[in-house]
Amino acid sequence: DAGITQSPRHKVTETGTPVTLRCHQTENHRYMYWYRQDPGHGLRLIHYSYGVKDTDKGEVSDGYSVSRSKTEDFLLTLESATSSQTSVYFCAISVYNSPLHFGNGTRLTVT
Amino acid sequence: KNEVEQSPQNLTAQEGEFITINCSYSVGISALHWLQQHPGGGIVSLFMLSSGKKKHGRLIATINIQEKHSSLHITASHPRDSAVYICALSLGSARQLTFGSGTQLTVLP
Repeated sequence: DAGITQSPRHKVTETGTPVTLRCHQTENHRYMYWYRQDPGHGLRLIHYSYGVKDTDKGEVSDGYSVSRSKTEDFLLTLESATSSQTSVYFCAISVYNSPLHFGNGTRLTVT
Repeated sequence: KNEVEQSPQNLTAQEGEFITINCSYSVGISALHWLQQHPGGGIVSLFMLSSGKKKHGRLIATINIQEKHSSLHITASHPRDSAVYICALSLGSARQLTFGSGTQLTVLP
């Protein structure tokens, strides 16, 4: 089973503060993804990575940045959190010809 | 644009009933995924399909590539099957996914 851990699991922060969410995998997989899940919108791709230092934007990337300095870690940063970024964030990894593996999610509340 | 449509959006069934959830799509895909999400829980991958049919326990997933349609069946449904079931399409070389809006299934005892 793919080891994928998200931290923190819950976070409450104030508008305007920076926030970093971490996704850690133990399986050395190349592709990693950050999604947000909101009622009425389902899962939407924020950013993804196809290797160390190789990242690209998804459909809802505004207000977010990512970094991947090591294969095992994919960081999602909200430079200045806004209330519209209150959501549940999921990290996922993709293995060729195998099902996706998701982290347990991070529930972020921006007040 | 809605590249993937799921139906129904909500489904309530009695324990023991046979359940079908449908997923139709309009684009070429490399694979289709069925995912399960329990309330407040994480997302679990149930199946990945590129053709034909797969079975795991009481769950069966089928796909018809020509008709761009997939179904997820649950036989002898149980209250623990209550969850949101999500269809997702694998597109492109980066293996990005496009997700359906999900089907909320409630199985009553």
